[in-house]
Amino acid sequence: AQSVTQLGSHVSVSEGALVLLRCNYSSSVPPYLFWYVQYPNQGLQLLLKYTTGATLVKGINGFEAEFKKSETSFHLTKPSAHMSDAAEYFCAVSRLGAQKLVFGQGTRLTINP
Amino acid sequence: DGGITQSPKYLFRKEGQNVTLSCEQNLNHDAMYWYRQDPGQGLRLIYYSQIVNDFQKGDIAEGYSVSREKKESFPLTVTSAQKNPTAFYLCASSVDPAKNTIYFGEGSWLTVV
Repeated sequence: AQSVTQLGSHVSVSEGALVLLRCNYSSSVPPYLFWYVQYPNQGLQLLLKYTTGATLVKGINGFEAEFKKSETSFHLTKPSAHMSDAAEYFCAVSRLGAQKLVFGQGTRLTINP
Repeated sequence: DGGITQSPKYLFRKEGQNVTLSCEQNLNHDAMYWYRQDPGQGLRLIYYSQIVNDFQKGDIAEGYSVSREKKESFPLTVTSAQKNPTAFYLCASSVDPAKNTIYFGEGSWLTVV
């Protein structure tokens, strides 16, 4: 079975600082990995995904994530936080042939002025 | 515009009543999903459907029912057997959930009064 662990239910950074949201996964087969963002009272929007190929994946709004097989990680980063980045972020895992995604618990990102 | 429409946005249910949440998509996606979101618990899969007239239970199907009579529609009924139905409900669809984006609707808030 696949699973996802997001380290830290709440992360707070200053505007302009580095954003780092951690995600570790468990999978016995090559995983497909996703990051989604959710703004208050809205659905989820895809930020980026890794399926195959280049392990550094760039997404929307300046975010990127790196797939590290040896560490079973897929951490999300952004060099400089903006106030508009305040939201909840979800990591998810799937695999070839899967019929659904498995989501992590979510990390709420707060940006301090 | 293409997308997923959930209705109503806010719904209040009395104890013992069944309520139905609507989900319609015009993306021509085969797969559709219902997730439940509670604070601090991330997203949990209720039901999913890969094709018309077929659906499978997710992780928390008890107290819920669905139908998939049309490709575009996947309504969720919250029955009186669901003991704690107050939550945010998210409908989603995908061409291929493993490799492609899962698109989410804007969600529906259900509150028991």
